[in-house]
Amino acid sequence: GESVGLHLPTLSVQEGDNSIINCAYSNSASDYFIWYKQESGKGPQFIIDIRSNMDKRQGQRVTVLLNKTVKHLSLQIAATQPGDSAVYFCAENPWDYKLSFGAGTTVTVRA
Amino acid sequence: EAGVTQFPSHSVIEKGQTVTLRCDPISGHDNLYWYRRVMGKEIKFLLHFVKESKQDESGMPNNRFLAERTGGTYSTLKVQPAELEDSGVYFCASSRQPSGDTQYFGPGTRLTVL
Repeated sequence: GESVGLHLPTLSVQEGDNSIINCAYSNSASDYFIWYKQESGKGPQFIIDIRSNMDKRQGQRVTVLLNKTVKHLSLQIAATQPGDSAVYFCAENPWDYKLSFGAGTTVTVRA
Repeated sequence: EAGVTQFPSHSVIEKGQTVTLRCDPISGHDNLYWYRRVMGKEIKFLLHFVKESKQDESGMPNNRFLAERTGGTYSTLKVQPAELEDSGVYFCASSRQPSGDTQYFGPGTRLTVL
């Protein structure tokens, strides 16, 4: 079946550097995508979303890029901080309401 | 605005026992979802309520799982009898609209079946 997946399970980043987390999706019917951040002991927290009629959206220190041609989604975090250490999930929301998640990328920020 | 809350945060039970998880969605959110993450795997959809009605329960693993949302407010998810493979983290989420709207997640209930 179709699913959302992440390219790398782990990412180690130097504090202050930019982070890029990638995600590939295969459901061409998806029109809404979300990035969630999950810290230890907490549930997934909404970071940023993007709809299929856009290819870029910026938030505070985060940018999501959507490439529908190759079905690729990425999350860029500027000036990565220790508090950014967490598991990051991309999720797609096709025509229905079910979120389909990837396995997650664990980001570790090195001091 | 209070977020989605779940109770308990942790539950450890023995195989064959019954456990009931509770979720309180964000006030005003008609849509309530249950998801589950089994160790090392992705978060999987279980079911979706619109108010008190089950809209879709296609993700429920089997008939040992029963979800209810009487009155359209909080929801419970009962596992009876629990099996070892039911261990994982159970998340509840809620949203205003059913599609294309942000789903806000609770902290989850970590269930361990021994």
